[in-house]
Amino acid sequence: QKEVEQDPGPLSVPEGAIVSLNCTYSNSAFQYFMWYRQYSRKGPELLMYTYSSGNKEDGRFTAQVDKSSKYISLFIRDSQPSDSATYLCAMNKGGYQKVTFGTGTKLQVIP
Amino acid sequence: DVKVTQSSRYLVKRTGEKVFLECVQDMDHENMFWYRQDPGLGLRLIYFSYDVKMKEKGDIPEGYSVSREKKERFSLILESASTNQTSMYLCASSPLGRSTTYEQYFGPGTRLTVT
Repeated sequence: QKEVEQDPGPLSVPEGAIVSLNCTYSNSAFQYFMWYRQYSRKGPELLMYTYSSGNKEDGRFTAQVDKSSKYISLFIRDSQPSDSATYLCAMNKGGYQKVTFGTGTKLQVIP
Repeated sequence: DVKVTQSSRYLVKRTGEKVFLECVQDMDHENMFWYRQDPGLGLRLIYFSYDVKMKEKGDIPEGYSVSREKKERFSLILESASTNQTSMYLCASSPLGRSTTYEQYFGPGTRLTVT
């Protein structure tokens, strides 16, 4: 069983829709939770990170962490065609610990 | 703006060749990483380095080695390339030392094909 599970999609939504992307994990020692966005033929870029449980909002993006359920989510409001990309969840235990990535969910926002 | 550059976008090598992938970052980051990215497997850590001349094995170091002689440069070496090393290779860097390995900045990647 992988430490981090993520549905690969693809997920196809109309422009303006609310998008929900999710990951589950098995290691309760994870403390930092991140979302990266990767456009085609580019490297991933950090979108947001959250420490421990709770919500964090940045513009149209909201990250949620539920440590009791070992479940994290990224919500995108008013989705735009420019949001079309692969979204990778990632997490680590803090300190010098390595980051463990999900396999990514491919999102397509249709105009 | 943080910039991480990789020496090649596309590379084709023959089985048995020694392959060098170079990565340079311009933001004075202490931490540097090498990953490979494969469909269905995601990003897997090969090696990382927290300081010059320092290296640590990641999850899949077999068949690879690294070199970090200068702070800004981290090289990945395939000693004898094999077809199962055909992949997208991504370099990343992160600032400070202990607490911010989560904030990684990635290069554009090198798509390596070994024939």
